[in-house]
Order: sequence, then C-alpha cells, then structure tokens
Amino acid sequence: NAGVTQTPKFQVLKTGQSMTLQCAQDMNHEYMSWYRQDPGMGLRLIHYSVGAGITDQGEVPNGYNVSRSTTEDFPLRLLSAAPSQTSVYFCASRAAGNNQPQHFGDGTRLSIL
Amino acid sequence: EDQVTQSPEALRLQEGESSSLNCSYTVSGLRGLFWYRQDPGKGPEFLFTLYSAGEEKEKERLKATLTKKESFLHITAPKPEDSATYLCAPQWAAGNKLTFGGGTRVLVKP
Repeated sequence: NAGVTQTPKFQVLKTGQSMTLQCAQDMNHEYMSWYRQDPGMGLRLIHYSVGAGITDQGEVPNGYNVSRSTTEDFPLRLLSAAPSQTSVYFCASRAAGNNQPQHFGDGTRLSIL
Repeated sequence: EDQVTQSPEALRLQEGESSSLNCSYTVSGLRGLFWYRQDPGKGPEFLFTLYSAGEEKEKERLKATLTKKESFLHITAPKPEDSATYLCAPQWAAGNKLTFGGGTRVLVKP
C-alpha cells in the first residue's frame, strides 16, 4: 500500500535551473495538493487540483507550475530556481467529499544554491 | 485574514507527565479541524478530524477537543514514542484548503 510517493527525496540545484518534482498516488483520490514547509511558517499551499485537467493556485504559487493529466500524477515544476525556493515540498491527496483527511508523501528536500 | 496559532512552539515532557497543546484560529466559517503528527524526515500523518464545538476524539494517549475558537490536544501519560511535531489545520467553508499552524514540537524523555 504505497499511498503518496514523491521523488526525488533530495535535490540540489543551482540558481536558474529548472526541475520537476514528481508525485504519484495509488488511492484513486480526486484531490491533490502541493505544499512547502519552511521553519516557523507551517505548511503553505502552492497549487492544488480537484481532478484530472483542473488545477488552481494556492497561497504561494509564484515560480511554480503544475498540470494534472491523470488522476494518479501531479508533478510540480520549478521554472527557474531561486534560493528562496529552498524548502521541503510535500504532496498530498484526499478523497472527494467534506472533511476528508489529506494523505501526505514523505517530502522532497530541495536546496537552491 | 484567516490565522492559526499553535502554542507552545516546543514542549519537553518527562515520560508520564501529561500536558496539553493549543491551537487557536480566526478562520471564518469553520468546516472542520484536523490534527496531524509529523515525525522528522516524514510527511504529516493524520490523527483526528473535529467538526463542531464540544466534540472530542481519542486515540491511545491523545485526546483532541474543539471549541468555537480553539482546539486542544491533550497527551496523557506520554511515552517517548509520542515525541513528534503536532500540527493543527482548520478548514474553512471556502474550498479545498487547509490553513496549517506552525506546529508544536513535543519531546518526551524517558
């Protein structure tokens, strides 16, 4: 029972580089989200999706792109990495319906030099 | 603006020493409040959902309660394995979004 799988677990980039963080879930959940977690700031929502082909911005979307071509996958793209994007990134999914809990992956730790 | 504040930021307990964590919020139109546990290097793990003031949920040594403006997570006779960061997240009626608090880091020493 894999749940939410994130790859890679660690990544170091140089300023200006681009990359894609992968997220896959095997629970057939309609809702998927990306968060970043920084010390003292809690989890902040970057982008989310309520189903394949539908995405929307969260609290801190600038510098990130998402797409949702399948129910299972929700990749997060950094267009031109900046040191301010150094963070731990978490992907989450949940079933449709009121008050369904989010299930999180174990995160990608990203450093931008 | 919706805000969530957790206190204290950190808590050091002796094994068996009960305590409470606080989550206060100014979310309008609360739909539910979630509690999560997060271990170092891991993603948050779901613990409880509370829906309305007066509701209580229990799991092993943890009990969560909810009022109109805050929630408490009570840890009774904690063990070292209860050491983790505990996160609360109110969900408001405006959609699929949670507002997470900054968390309380709990360390239980044997």
